Parts: sequence; C-alpha cells; structure tokens
Amino acid sequence: KNQVEQSPQSLIILEGKNCTLQCNYTVSPFSNLRWYKQDTGRGPVSLTIMTFSENTKSNGRYTATLDADTKQSSLHITASQLSDSASYICVVSVLGGSYIPTFGRGTSLIVHP
Amino acid sequence: NAGVMQNPRHLVRRRGQEARLRCSPMKGHSHVYWYRQLPEEGLKFMVYLQKENIIDESGMPKERFSAEFPKEGPSILRIQQVVRGDSAAYFCASSLGQGQTYEQYFGPGTRLTVT
Repeated sequence: KNQVEQSPQSLIILEGKNCTLQCNYTVSPFSNLRWYKQDTGRGPVSLTIMTFSENTKSNGRYTATLDADTKQSSLHITASQLSDSASYICVVSVLGGSYIPTFGRGTSLIVHP
Repeated sequence: NAGVMQNPRHLVRRRGQEARLRCSPMKGHSHVYWYRQLPEEGLKFMVYLQKENIIDESGMPKERFSAEFPKEGPSILRIQQVVRGDSAAYFCASSLGQGQTYEQYFGPGTRLTVT
C-alpha cells in the first residue's frame, strides 16, 4: 500500500532558526515528490518538485532533498520567518498508472517571534 | 491568470440540507480533482473529473455525494442530506493534463460546517 509518513507532526521554533522536516514514503514505482505549504485557511501551494534523478532542489529559503534509495525526503527551512508558520505537506506520485498522488498528513510548523 | 476559484469559502448547513460547492479551474485546465480535509488530517482524494466526464470517483462516499463538471461552468460537488460528519474543508485542484507530471493547483477551499 502506498503511504507517506511525515515527522514531526508539529514543530515550534523561534524566528531566525533553521528547521528540517522529514518525509518517508513507500510509494512505488516512484515518479516525483512535491512539498506543499498550506497556510491556515488556504489551499496548498507547491514549493518544490523532485524527480528520481534529483538529490536536492532549492526555492529561496526552502531546500528539499531526496534519497530515492532509502525513500526519504527532507525539507530544510533556513532563517525561519513568522510567515513560515503553516502546514508542510509531502506528496508522492506513482510512475505511470494512478494520477492521484499520495498525501502525507503534514507537519505543522509554528514560528514564534 | 486567475488561480483556482472556489465558492463559497464558508458554508453552514443544518443536518438534512443540501450543500453545493463550486470550483472554477485555472484557465485552460480541463482536469479537476476534489479532496476533503478533516481537522488534523491529510487531504483525501474524492473524485477526478474531466469536462463532462467522471474519470475516478473511488474516493467518494457511495451515497449522498455527487460531482459534475459540465461543458460550461464550474465543477460542482453536491452533498445531499448533510450530516455532522460531513463538516470539513473541501479543496478543489485543477491540472493541465492527466498524469503524475502535471502539477495540481489548489483552490482556497470551502469550509463546510454542519450544525
């Protein structure tokens, strides 16, 4: 069964600090992995997309890594800002076949001043 | 280019009433997906539609729920005889094509509260 597990479930950090969110998946065969940011009361917005051959991808202060061998991904946020407070969702798609991706439950990040 | 639009943003219904949720995809997108998100839960797939066709409704409850995407106008998710357990955020997403390489763009969601 295709599954996406995220950790931690929630995280509280101080403004300016870095943090790393984890995503483990059992989706196979792997096509791509996306990280979404979902602000409270809003729809998810894509941050990065990574395919099998990509190890790392950056989008401003967000850097995603992918280890396709261990089926793990991480999202690193540098110099956090109050506006980073949101839920971060890991989404994995299957190669061929299903067009419906598998969503993780998300990590709720709170950045305190 | 306007993004995915959903309305209403908030909807309150009493038990037994009908709820109609609307989704207008991004311009040029003909693929629409509906998801439900319960509090503290992840997004759960409900139904996938293309213009005038339901492609996959495997995530949709068998009773009381229906969806359509007519040739003209928005996609509609309809919930008949709502119950308290239907209270959730309902998100619509659209994509340019079918398949894992096409990104799904999400709307802001409709928050349904059943009293």
